[in-house]
Amino acid sequence: EAGVAQSPRYKIIEKRQSVAFWCNPISGHATLYWYQQILGQGPKLLIQFQNNGVVDDSQLPKDRFSAERLKGVDSTLKIQPAKLEDSAVYLCASRTPHRVWTGELFFGEGSRLTVL
Amino acid sequence: GIQVEQSPPDLILQEGANSTLRCNFSDSVNNLQWFHQNPWGQLINLFYIPSGTKQNGRLSATTVATERYSLLYISSSQTTDSGVYFCAVNQGGKLIFGQGTELSVKP
Repeated sequence: EAGVAQSPRYKIIEKRQSVAFWCNPISGHATLYWYQQILGQGPKLLIQFQNNGVVDDSQLPKDRFSAERLKGVDSTLKIQPAKLEDSAVYLCASRTPHRVWTGELFFGEGSRLTVL
Repeated sequence: GIQVEQSPPDLILQEGANSTLRCNFSDSVNNLQWFHQNPWGQLINLFYIPSGTKQNGRLSATTVATERYSLLYISSSQTTDSGVYFCAVNQGGKLIFGQGTELSVKP
């Protein structure tokens, strides 16, 4: 079974530029998450999707971050304009479908963003 | 919100030694997962363990949900065990992570 796919793996941009990250969850996984992990810290949830609807985006900085999940499969996370403090690894995860709220989460390899 | 605390924050072991990592959480949870984050940053699932004990090779985990803690045991540690170990608890469908334990195993 293929895992969670993310791209790009690495991205370096200057502040005020924009960047987009892509995630393809495990086939059949209806729930998808984006996490931000700053160096030395645990991952922090940014947004949770159930199919193509947003369940929780309370910690998403909406003035600069946006995310969408078209057709309930792939998802993109965009940052515009980027700030220095956005330097982090952006992790995508998906959840097993038969236990919507309690099932195991599987993570992709992450996209490492450096903002100069 | 729920607090997830891991201890110790850092741990240095000699190869072959055993260790115990602890995760305390402040409220009832639906489940708990342990992850190993390898040097390349990927989070590898170790255990999905809402309660009880599970073993996988040299690793085992125990969660006592009523007392709000979980333990991860690593026996006969190897240099490839190095990295950061995270516990994460599920509350209302969201996974909340601790700050991690950074393990370094020396040859």
